[in-house]
Parts: sequence; structure tokens; C-alpha cells
Amino acid sequence: QVQLVQSGAEVKKPGASVKVSCKASGYTFISYDINWVRQATGQGLEWMGWMNPNSGNTGYAQKFQGRVTMTRNTSISTAYMELSSLRSEDTAVYYCVRVGGYWGQGTLVTVSS
Amino acid sequence: DVVMTQTPLSLSVTPGQPASISCKSSQSLLHSDGKTYLYWCLQKPGQPPQFLIYEVSNRFSGVPDRFSGSGSGTDFTLKISRVEAEDVGVYYCMQSIHLPWTFGQGTKVEIK
Repeated sequence: QVQLVQSGAEVKKPGASVKVSCKASGYTFISYDINWVRQATGQGLEWMGWMNPNSGNTGYAQKFQGRVTMTRNTSISTAYMELSSLRSEDTAVYYCVRVGGYWGQGTLVTVSS
Repeated sequence: DVVMTQTPLSLSVTPGQPASISCKSSQSLLHSDGKTYLYWCLQKPGQPPQFLIYEVSNRFSGVPDRFSGSGSGTDFTLKISRVEAEDVGVYYCMQSIHLPWTFGQGTKVEIK
């Protein structure tokens, strides 16, 4: 069955970067785009961007342009989302989402001094 | 960005009774390929969201048939024919035809 398994929770200081991984299994990794969506505590869902694992092409929400980088390692069927210059407002659960209705379990990123 | 507006924002339902959630988009979600890229998902307490409905009215595998979606263009509805206790959570509509994907504010459904 399709599974997206994300890396564990992270605590970062303001100004630092975080890199979240999303390991795919149960399907051909390069065949489906991976999107990233985040959710601050008690808040709604916010789309960050997408990546085509085959080509490596990406598209980012304007809000995150210049701070977010989405990459992949096809040899291990894993997608990555790196967010830099972290601030307290970036404290949220980050999800990878595959077209077709599949979500990772989420990764809590806490930004605190 | 496409604005997705859900109503109501909260709903208290007696088990076995129906429930309905409206979602309106600020732009048409009809693609030139003939498909309308409107999804519904449910986030149960403490869990990641799960998709229920894709392209307005198609249920994802494993979704009970008490969930149904309808609508076209800019107006959409999710209906639960008979609400069960396991249906509690926050329901979101989402569009993916225009980048960025955007979500409604969410509708919190609770059981009376």
C-alpha cells in the first residue's frame, strides 16, 4: 500500500534551517508529484509548493519563495523540504502530500529561542 | 490566489441525521480537460488530514458512501447522509486547478 513516512519532530532556533524528509513506498516514486502543506497549531492548511520527482521541477507558493527548497533522492524514494531563515511563525506541522490522496503523518517543527 | 469560502464554520449534528457543508470558490475550478479540481478532506482530532472526495463527487477508496459531493463551477457541497460519531473533525474543501492550492477555512463538525 502507498505510504509516506516523514522524519521526526525538530526544534530549531530563529534564523536556522530545517530539512524534512518524506520517504515514499508502495508505488513508483517518480510517477507522482509531491506537495508540501503546513498547519500551524489550531490553524488551517497552507500549501507551500510542489515537486516533480522525475524531473526535479518545482513550484513554490509566493509566500515561501526564496526560503523553501524542495528536492529528492530517487535512489531512496525520498522527497525533502528545506525551509530557511526560520521564525516563530514557521512553527507548524509539515505534511507531504501525494497526488491521489495520500498524506504523510506530519512533522512538527518548533521554532523557539 | 483563489479564495475558498466554507459555510458554516461549525456544525453540531445528532447521530443519524444529515449534514451539509458549502464551499464557494472565487474562480471557476473547471479545467480545460473537463475536470473540476475540487477536493474535500477531513482532519480527525490529532490526525493528519485524509482526502474524502476528488473532482467534486468521486469518493477515494475506502470512504463510506454516506459521504457525497456535488456542485460545479464555483459552488460545491459535501453531504453526509447519516452522521456517525467517527465523522467528527474539521472538513476542508481544497482546489488544485490554480497554483497555489488553496483550502477553505474548515468546518468543525461535532456530535450533539
